This record gives sequence, C-alpha cells and structure tokens, in this order.
Amino acid sequence: NAGVTQTPKFQVLKTGQSMTLQCAQDMNHNSMYWYRQDPGMGLRLIYYSASEGTTDKGEVPNGYNVSRLNKREFSLRLESAAPSQTSVYFCASSELTRVWYEQYFGPGTRLTVT
Amino acid sequence: AQSVTQLGSHVSVSEGALVLLRCNYSSSVPPYLFWYVQYPNQGLQLLLKYTSAATLVKGINGFEAEFKKSETSFHLTKPSAHMSDAAEYFCAVSDQGTGGFKTIFGAGTRLFVKA
Repeated sequence: NAGVTQTPKFQVLKTGQSMTLQCAQDMNHNSMYWYRQDPGMGLRLIYYSASEGTTDKGEVPNGYNVSRLNKREFSLRLESAAPSQTSVYFCASSELTRVWYEQYFGPGTRLTVT
Repeated sequence: AQSVTQLGSHVSVSEGALVLLRCNYSSSVPPYLFWYVQYPNQGLQLLLKYTSAATLVKGINGFEAEFKKSETSFHLTKPSAHMSDAAEYFCAVSDQGTGGFKTIFGAGTRLFVKA
C-alpha cells in the first residue's frame, strides 16, 4: 500500500515551458486535491476533485489545469510556466463520507521555474 | 468565511520542556479542526483532529489539543518535547460550504527543539 505517490520529485523548467505533475492514490478515496506550499503561506488549494468525473477550482487556480483521469489518478498541468509558479506541490486524497475527513498527502514535487 | 491563524511562525523549546503551538480559527458553522505535522522533505501527516466528540483530543506522539469554542482556539500541546518533534506544524479548519467540503490551512509554525 503506497498511499499517495507523486512524480516527478524535482523539476526545473524555463519560463513558458509546460509540464504535467502526476498523482496517484491506492486507498480507493473519492476526493483528490492539489496544493502549493510557499514559505509563510501554508498550503493553498489549487484544484480539487470531489469525486471521479468532477473538478473544481480552489483558492489559486490561475495558470493551472487538472484532469481526473480515473478514481486513482489526478494530474496537474502547467501550460506556460512562470517564475511565480516556483513552489512545492502536494497532492492529497481523502474519503468524502463525512466533513471531518482527513487528507493523506504525497511527498511533494519541488518545481523551480527560471 | 473560514480562516486559520497560527501565532508564531517559529517556536523554540528545550528538550523536555512544554510545547505550546497556538491556533485560532474562524468559521460560520461548527468547525472540524486538524493539526498536521510536516517533517523535512515530506508531505503532511495527521497528528489529531477535533470532530465534536470531545473537546480534548489526543493524537500521536504524545500531542494533544483542546477545542475552546469561547476563545475560537485549538492550541496544540505536548508536556515534554523530544528532539524528534522538530518539524513544521499546520493547523487546519474544515467545514461544509456551498462548494462542498473545504479545508483551509494556517501558515504553519516551525518547531525547533534544543538539546
């Protein structure tokens, strides 16, 4: 049982390049999330998917797109990377049976945009 | 709207001393509150959560937190710090809004433990 896995672990992009961050979970969770973590700002929600087939914007969605490929996988795409997108990106998943769900986090992807 | 405030971006304690990390929240509905811990170069993991069953919540690694509605607080404590407690701690609040379940995280408090 690997939990939540993310690839890649590290990435360096030039401004304007595109890339996709991959996330997969093996806990049969309904909901999946993408966050970015910046110093002094905690975690900010980019997009989430409450269940397979649905996606919604979070707090900071601009410059990103997502795809809920199936129940296990949720990818985050940067179409044209900008230096402001330099951050650590975390994927998480949870059950959505009650509002007191807890989230399970992947190890993160460190992205630098030059 | 929900919000979470963690007082102190850095807290330093000596090994064996009391750990107190402060969290205040605002929520328009009964909140569900969480503390997560992040060790270096890792994702977050749950320490404990408040779901209205009891105001004093015990978590892993000897941590506990008390929900005080009158003070809108959910401070995290541990009686005796250990070197392995050095990490970043995040308070989070979750409730059900018009867009479904949402969780808001505080900015985090980094705990340093001195030998």
